[in-house]
Amino acid sequence: KQEVTQIPAALSVPEGENLVLNCSFTDSAIYNLQWFRQDPGKGLTSLLLIQSSQREQTSGRLNASLDKSSGRSTLYIAASQPGDSATYLCAGDQTGANNLFFGTGTRLTVIP
Amino acid sequence: NAGVTQTPKFRILKIGQSMTLQCTQDMNHNYMYWYRQDPGMGLKLIYYSVGAGITDKGEVPNGYNVSRSTTEDFPLRLELAAPSQTSVYFCASTPDGLAKNIQYFGAGTRLSVL
Repeated sequence: KQEVTQIPAALSVPEGENLVLNCSFTDSAIYNLQWFRQDPGKGLTSLLLIQSSQREQTSGRLNASLDKSSGRSTLYIAASQPGDSATYLCAGDQTGANNLFFGTGTRLTVIP
Repeated sequence: NAGVTQTPKFRILKIGQSMTLQCTQDMNHNYMYWYRQDPGMGLKLIYYSVGAGITDKGEVPNGYNVSRSTTEDFPLRLELAAPSQTSVYFCASTPDGLAKNIQYFGAGTRLSVL
């Protein structure tokens, strides 16, 4: 059974710092991987999608990478801002499946 | 553009009651999904649908039923509510399978069963 671990569970940083969030899958056979942002009381917003043929995606200050050999992904946030405060979840799917396996999330707080 | 709309936002049920969580999307997406999110946990797939008239079980389908009579709507039915069904429920959609598309989520329904 696929299990997804996100480390750290919570992170508090001062504004302006660069930071890395980690995600790992017990079964490394991940086909596509997404990073989501969840604000309190809100739904999930997709940030980055790494498709099966890709290893990395960038959007603005965000960069996500996927190492398929180890089943690990990282989300890099550059020059963090208070508006980045939210919970970040990773999710992956496996070939032929319609099921996304979600991590438990990292709660990020950026202190002004 | 409304996207994915879920109603109600909050609900309290007594044990044994039933209810339907509504989900509608206006993006003409074929794929729709229902997830539940327990406190401090990741989302788990309950049911999904690849098009009108077609539904399939996800990881945690017990205690739930779904139907998909139109492209737009994908209601989730809880029969005989139990405390274990206390959770936040999210509906999502994509225009195609997971391979190339991003999932769009509703704002969620927070359900408490007492």
